Amino acid sequence: DIQMTQSPSSLSASVGDRVTITCRASQGISNYLAWYQQKPGKVPKFLIYAASTLQSGVPSRFSGSGSGTYFTLTISSLQPEDVATYYCQKYNSAPWTFGQGTKVEIK
Amino acid sequence: EVQLVESGGGLVQPGGSLRLSCAASGFTFSTYWMSWVRQAPGKGLEWVANIKQDGSEKYYVDSVKGRFTISRDNAKNSLYLQMNSLRAEDTAVYYCANIIVAGRNLVGHLSWGQGTLVTVSS
Repeated sequence: DIQMTQSPSSLSASVGDRVTITCRASQGISNYLAWYQQKPGKVPKFLIYAASTLQSGVPSRFSGSGSGTYFTLTISSLQPEDVATYYCQKYNSAPWTFGQGTKVEIK
Repeated sequence: EVQLVESGGGLVQPGGSLRLSCAASGFTFSTYWMSWVRQAPGKGLEWVANIKQDGSEKYYVDSVKGRFTISRDNAKNSLYLQMNSLRAEDTAVYYCANIIVAGRNLVGHLSWGQGTLVTVSS
């Protein structure tokens, strides 16, 4: 099965900083990648699909890129409400594996 | 408004069984693929299973194959997860979620329930 590896596992940044999270697939998955945000104590929220397509209603400071085995989620200007754990997920075929998550905190 | 409400969780001994239910409303349930996703306490998300609109296709993570069965009743707008031979490592909050389509592709889990906690312990 294809493994999904996120880095870093956690990060701390200041409000207004540009933040980038990386997700690597152990084999190529084209652009069949989604990103989710899970705030503390909340259910996951669907952010991005097809590696770079923003789900309706998601703030434009979020963006995704990549294809094949290397993907990134970028927050262009970190806001306090962005404190959360972010997960990537492959969906090209079963199993729809998630990355292990990246916890984003405010410095 | 889309609502997904899970039920059926609880404390069960290792080797035991539970049946989770997810009641859906606010969208045309019969036209959506559906999923179960779980999250162990303090851990990350783990996809468990998917089921096609008519139940004709089902997919599972390896760790639950042969023990868990996903099913649905479109007449009742309900999704189920029958869990047998439960193990301590199955302890988690179990979420049901619908799967969004873009073009002709399934692209991710759009709406999520609040989850139901399953604890496997003696």
